[in-house]
Amino acid sequence: NAGVMQNPRHLVRRRGQEARLRCSPMKGHSHVYWYRQLPEEGLKFMVYLQKENIIDESGMPKERFSAEFPKEGPSILRIQQVVRGDSAAYFCASSPLNYEQYFGPGTRLTVT
Amino acid sequence: DQQVKQNSPSLSVQEGRISILNCDYTNSMFDYFLWYKKYPAEGPTFLISISSIKDKNEDGRFTVFLNKSAKHLSLHIVPSQPGDSAVYFCAASVVMDSSYKLIFGSGTRLLVRP
Repeated sequence: NAGVMQNPRHLVRRRGQEARLRCSPMKGHSHVYWYRQLPEEGLKFMVYLQKENIIDESGMPKERFSAEFPKEGPSILRIQQVVRGDSAAYFCASSPLNYEQYFGPGTRLTVT
Repeated sequence: DQQVKQNSPSLSVQEGRISILNCDYTNSMFDYFLWYKKYPAEGPTFLISISSIKDKNEDGRFTVFLNKSAKHLSLHIVPSQPGDSAVYFCAASVVMDSSYKLIFGSGTRLLVRP
């Protein structure tokens, strides 16, 4: 049973470009979470999704950020018109129901 | 508003000794607590958890203690091994309005010296 997969592992974007981060949850997991980690900080919750539904996006910036988890395919975190402050590690986690979440290896976004 | 705090950014312990990592929280609604371990360039790995109705949970060398009245939990690793050197995150979960999320502390970097 493969773990949570994220790609790309590293992503470099110029200011103003779009970043797309993908996450494939563990098999059988229907809950997906996105977290962001800034340097020397803990993980900050961004959004919680189930298939085709956004359950909680209270941690998402109001502008430029969006997330989806379609019926088929991976979950996508999209950042439009990236700025330098978006540079961070973005982690996806999945769980079968609640509580224990299993994390992917992360995508390190660098905005130049 | 930091609801989960890990006040020690780093800890250094001799191999074979006990490592004690601490975590404080402010929200009495938290019902489940978890510890994650993270190596550089990897995602966090689930280590051990405890329900708010318990005060201790043990798994091999790892034990988590919960003191609800003090809103404090700790992770004990004994005996500590060099491979335990990593960043440890405390996390608390809350379920509200059909939503569930983890709130993380800022982490404690553990170094186990051979």
